[in-house]
Amino acid sequence: AQSVSQHNHHVILSEAASLELGCNYSYGGTVNLFWYVQYPGQHLQLLLKYFSGDPLVKGIKGFEAEFIKSKFSFNLRKPSVQWSDTAEYFCAVITPTGGGNKLTFGTGTQLKVEL
Amino acid sequence: GAGVSQSPSNKVTEKGKDVELRCDPISGHTALYWYRQRLGQGLEFLIYFQGNSAPDKSGLPSDRFSAERTGESVSTLTIQRTQQEDSAVYLCAIRLGQRHTDTQYFGPGTRLTVL
Repeated sequence: AQSVSQHNHHVILSEAASLELGCNYSYGGTVNLFWYVQYPGQHLQLLLKYFSGDPLVKGIKGFEAEFIKSKFSFNLRKPSVQWSDTAEYFCAVITPTGGGNKLTFGTGTQLKVEL
Repeated sequence: GAGVSQSPSNKVTEKGKDVELRCDPISGHTALYWYRQRLGQGLEFLIYFQGNSAPDKSGLPSDRFSAERTGESVSTLTIQRTQQEDSAVYLCAIRLGQRHTDTQYFGPGTRLTVL
């Protein structure tokens, strides 16, 4: 079965620091990859997604993620974080050939950005 | 989320009681999902409805869990004889596009606490 690993459970950064959150998945075939974010008191919302093509995907609010197939990774990055980026971030995968309708999520990374 | 409401927002119940959680999606959605998030864990898929097809129930953890959808609108998730391990946030999500890789939009969730 597909599984998703997020290595950092809690990350604390100062404003303007660079961010990279790790995400690895287990399935070796075709995958579709997502990053969702949940700001305090808000709904889970899509940050960015990768289906095919350019492995560097740009999302909202200056976030980007790079799909590296050989490493089974889809790490999230932002060059300079802001206090408003404080949130929980979830990596998720759909495996199109394996009951591909359901998202498999990682356990999430809680990001706190300090002023 | 984009047109998904859930009720109640919080539910506290005693062990052994039945609970019913409700999801009201926007009309025109193509698929509806239930997930749950237990403390410190990622979201787990529970069940999926699309059109008139038989629901994918592969994520339901036990026969105490069931869900139905009325027409192509309201969905209810029922948990019978609740146990403490059922305590979690239960999330409903909808898909607006036809492809399984189209974005899923999440509701605010119902926080269930079983005492």
